[in-house]
Amino acid sequence: NAGVTQTPKFRVLKTGQSMTLLCAQDMNHEYMYWYRQDPGMGLRLIHYSVGEGTTAKGEVPDGYNVSRLKKQNFLLGLESAAPSQTSVYFCASSYPPLADNEQFFGPGTRLTVL
Amino acid sequence: AQSVTQLDSHVSVSEGTPVLLRCNYSSSYSPSLFWYVQHPNKGLQLLLKYTSAATLVKGINGFEAEFKKSETSFHLTKPSAHMSDAAEYFCVVIFNDMRFGAGTRLTVKP
Repeated sequence: NAGVTQTPKFRVLKTGQSMTLLCAQDMNHEYMYWYRQDPGMGLRLIHYSVGEGTTAKGEVPDGYNVSRLKKQNFLLGLESAAPSQTSVYFCASSYPPLADNEQFFGPGTRLTVL
Repeated sequence: AQSVTQLDSHVSVSEGTPVLLRCNYSSSYSPSLFWYVQHPNKGLQLLLKYTSAATLVKGINGFEAEFKKSETSFHLTKPSAHMSDAAEYFCVVIFNDMRFGAGTRLTVKP
């Protein structure tokens, strides 16, 4: 099993450009999450999904959109990138309920917005 | 609203000495609590979790944590540090939503 994979691993964008980050999991997990990690701030939840076709906002959703068309995939989109979105992005997945179950994390995507 | 505070941003210990990483939370009820570890340039890995069973929780690699409701704490300990323990550690509290602590970077000196 590959677990949770993320593509790409690195990306550099110019302000105003758009991009999509792809997360895939092969563990048949219902829940999937997108986080961003910034120095001294831990991980902050951007959006999450509790099942195919459903998405919800997390703590810091502004400037991002997500889609979960297939159970195994969770896409994170930046429509118009800003320097404040320079960060490391992590995808994770888990079985429900969140309070009882381990989240499995991908290796991360390092995004720089110039 | 619930919150989680990791009291030390950086802890440095010598190999073979005990490790203590401190975590306090704020919540109206007893939440679920997790510790995750992140090695350099890697994703996060679960160390251990507390979900209202035994208050002393044992995890992987010799780590354990004790849930103390009266102190609203969930400190992570290990009797003897190993060089491979050098990493960033995150305390996570879950009730209605999820909050990560800011992280504690553990350095292990030879």
